[in-house]
Amino acid sequence: ENVLMQSPGTLSLSPGERATLSCRASQSVSSRHLAWYQQKPGQPPRLLIHGASSRATGTPDRFSGSGSGTDFTLTISRLEPEDFAVYYCQHYGRKTFGPGTKVDIK
Amino acid sequence: EVQVVESGGGLVKPGGSLRLSCVGSGFMFSGHSMNWVRQAPGKGLEWVASISGTSSYIYYADSVKGRFTISRDNAENSLYLQMDNLRAEDTSLYFCTRDILGFYGMDVWGQGTTVTVSS
Repeated sequence: ENVLMQSPGTLSLSPGERATLSCRASQSVSSRHLAWYQQKPGQPPRLLIHGASSRATGTPDRFSGSGSGTDFTLTISRLEPEDFAVYYCQHYGRKTFGPGTKVDIK
Repeated sequence: EVQVVESGGGLVKPGGSLRLSCVGSGFMFSGHSMNWVRQAPGKGLEWVASISGTSSYIYYADSVKGRFTISRDNAENSLYLQMDNLRAEDTSLYFCTRDILGFYGMDVWGQGTTVTVSS
């Protein structure tokens, strides 16, 4: 079983700051199969990134994804108020999700 | 507007059954693989089951294999999840999701339907 781990569990930042979220797999993952989602309270998740680095339709360009093998990163270049949320990575090949990183306001 | 809408959730006793439904609109339903994903209260996301556009390929999470059955009716633009032998740990918000075409990810999510398993 390929387990995804996300760090940190919670990231406390101020608007305008840069956020760097990590997703690490216990076994190598094809970059094509790595996706990132954003979930705000009371809402369903929203696809942000697929293929490790391709922004989904409607994803602002302040969001970027990178990585390969077992280490992947979601970067938010400058946090906007609407970006404070929980972020999940997903290994699409196994459909499994990571436990999530909460980005909250410092 | 592209959307999926779930229904069928409710309160059921342990060992009971429930059937969830999801209706898609605004897109060619038969052209997309579909999924069920759940989220227990205050917890993360858990993939439950997936079905290809023609129902040729079906996959289940180990936690529900043998108890849940995913199916679809493309003529009705509908996705289903038959849940039998329900357990307390199945209590969750169940989302219906659509696979993005040509890539890997779930690009359309419903608002979810709540299943509570309790005596």
